[in-house]
Order: sequence, then C-alpha cells, then structure tokens
Amino acid sequence: GAVVSQHPSWVICKSGTSVKIECRSLDFQATTMFWYRQFPKQSLMLMATSNEGSKATYEQGVEKDKFLINHASLTLSTLTVTSAHPEDSSFYICSADREGMGAEAFFGQGTRLTVV
Amino acid sequence: AQSVTQPDIHITVSEGASLELRCNYSYGATPYLFWYVQSPGQGLQLLLKYFSGDTLVQGIKGFEAEFKRSQSSFNLRKPSVHWSDAAEYFCAVGVAGAGSYQLTFGKGTKLSVIP
Repeated sequence: GAVVSQHPSWVICKSGTSVKIECRSLDFQATTMFWYRQFPKQSLMLMATSNEGSKATYEQGVEKDKFLINHASLTLSTLTVTSAHPEDSSFYICSADREGMGAEAFFGQGTRLTVV
Repeated sequence: AQSVTQPDIHITVSEGASLELRCNYSYGATPYLFWYVQSPGQGLQLLLKYFSGDTLVQGIKGFEAEFKRSQSSFNLRKPSVHWSDAAEYFCAVGVAGAGSYQLTFGKGTKLSVIP
C-alpha cells in the first residue's frame, strides 16, 4: 500500500519558537495533501489543503500566517507552526491523495507537538 | 455542508462478542464514505470505503459496513471482536473538490474490549 511519512513523530519546543513538520509520500506522487489537527479525545479537524506548486487553501478560522504550508514538490508538504504558543500543542496529521486509488487518502502517523 | 455523526462516544464489548458502531451522515448527494481506525498516538488506517455499487462493503480485519441511503447511515460491524480491535474509530464522508476531495470526520467512537 501507499506510505505517507511524517517527521518528527513528536516534538517539544519553547514558546515563541517555530516548528516545521514534514509530510512525505514515499512511494507515490501527491498533487494534494491535507493537514489536520486533532485535540485530545476529539476528531480530526481539517486545517488546510496543500496543493503542489500553489498556495494552500485554509479552512475558516485557521491563521495562515501562523500555520505556514509549503508544497514544493509532489512528494513533500511542510507545515510550519510559527511563534508557537502552548495552545498550539496538539496532534497534527497529514494525508495525501494517491491518484488512481479511488479517492483514497493515506495518512501519516501524526506529529505530537508540545509547546512549553 | 456535509457532516458526520457518531452517536456513541465510548463502547465496551467482551472479546468474541459482535460489534456495531453507528455512523450517520448529512450530505446532499451520494457521498464517499469511509471508516478509519486510530490506535493511541498513531495516524489513521483505512478499514473500508464505499463509493458506489454494492451497499455492503467488506474491509480489512474482518470488518464490514452497510450503506443505507434511506437512513443516511454507514454502520460498521464485526461479528467477533478481538482484543486488538480496541482503538478509536472514525467515520468520514468525502466530498469531491477540484482535483481532489476533502474528508469530514465524525467525533469518533472509542472501543474498549474486555478479555
């Protein structure tokens, strides 16, 4: 099956610093990737849709200047949490669509971000 | 806008018992429907999906789900639960967009299995 890898799996950072999370499709090309945020014991909330070579589309209420998304290639999308604060602590998950797989999304293993 | 409701927040079953997790959706057209499973601190694994055709869908790990248009439901079932099935289960509806589609998830149902 298709593999999507996220890195890092968990990260602790100081308040005010920036953190970059990578999402890679290892064995297929992904024109579109999605970034989700999951609070404890909650569902996944779509943050933004990342399209290769163009600007990301953010969901309502998501600060695009705080959550910077770059999709520079067909196998890599990055989410940078800028000037992180404790309230940004969460579980971030990416997914990638693989063309020809019947609209199936493949998910990364997630990144646990803790801001102290 | 589409929405997904999973009425049961937490379900506990005995190992070997049957299981049914409920999912209702709201969408104006025929949706793509999915069930995912998430183990603690992990990403999501697809159990099964419905796009069209046979309304009874077979998935991995012995799971199946039935799409009932009249009830706007897509309930997940398994005839005999194993202890390793303990996890969080998410129902999702996919809506096609420009060149791709977006998933809207339910709040999830946590499954606990008693040995």
